[in-house]
Amino acid sequence: AQSVTQPDIHITVSEGASLELRCNYSYGATPYLFWYVQSPGQGLQLLLKYFSGDTLVQGIKGFEAEFKRSQSSFNLRKPSVHWSDAAEYFCAVGAPGGGADGLTFGKGTHLIIQP
Amino acid sequence: DVKVTQSSRYLVKRTGEKVFLECVQDMDHENMFWYRQDPGLGLRLIYFSYDVKMKEKGDIPEGYSVSREKKERFSLILESASTNQTSMYLCASSLGPKGTQYFGPGTRLLVL
Repeated sequence: AQSVTQPDIHITVSEGASLELRCNYSYGATPYLFWYVQSPGQGLQLLLKYFSGDTLVQGIKGFEAEFKRSQSSFNLRKPSVHWSDAAEYFCAVGAPGGGADGLTFGKGTHLIIQP
Repeated sequence: DVKVTQSSRYLVKRTGEKVFLECVQDMDHENMFWYRQDPGLGLRLIYFSYDVKMKEKGDIPEGYSVSREKKERFSLILESASTNQTSMYLCASSLGPKGTQYFGPGTRLLVL
């Protein structure tokens, strides 16, 4: 079974600074990879996804993520954060092939933006 | 745009009550999912469905059941609510079996 680790529970970044949120997965092959964002009291919104091909993926709101097979990682980055980026971020993994069985989510990273 | 709606944003129920949470999607997706979200635990899959009248247990199905009589609607049922089922419940749908999941706004359930 696949698993996802987001090692940072909380991260505090100053507005305008760069951001990197870490995500490591455990799976025997290349999984489908996702980053979602959740604003307070809201559902999850997809930021970006990786299925195959170019390992650098561009998403919405200026986010990007890079798949690194050798490190089993899919870290999320943004060059300059805005106060509106304060939210909970979830990395998720789906196993290609087989039937539908949902995604496996990390426990999330809470992003705090300092003025 | 895909739209997933959930019947209630907030719900307060008493222990032992039967609770229905409803989810509707408007994009003809085959797959629908119910998760619960708790602080420090992330999202955990309760049940999913890949077709009408079909259902599969997720990671934490105990105390829950589901119903999918129509393709667009997926209901989560708490047969006898307990305080440990106080949580945020999120519904999602996807077109393909492993594809992007689109989430509803969530239902925050408080069981007293």
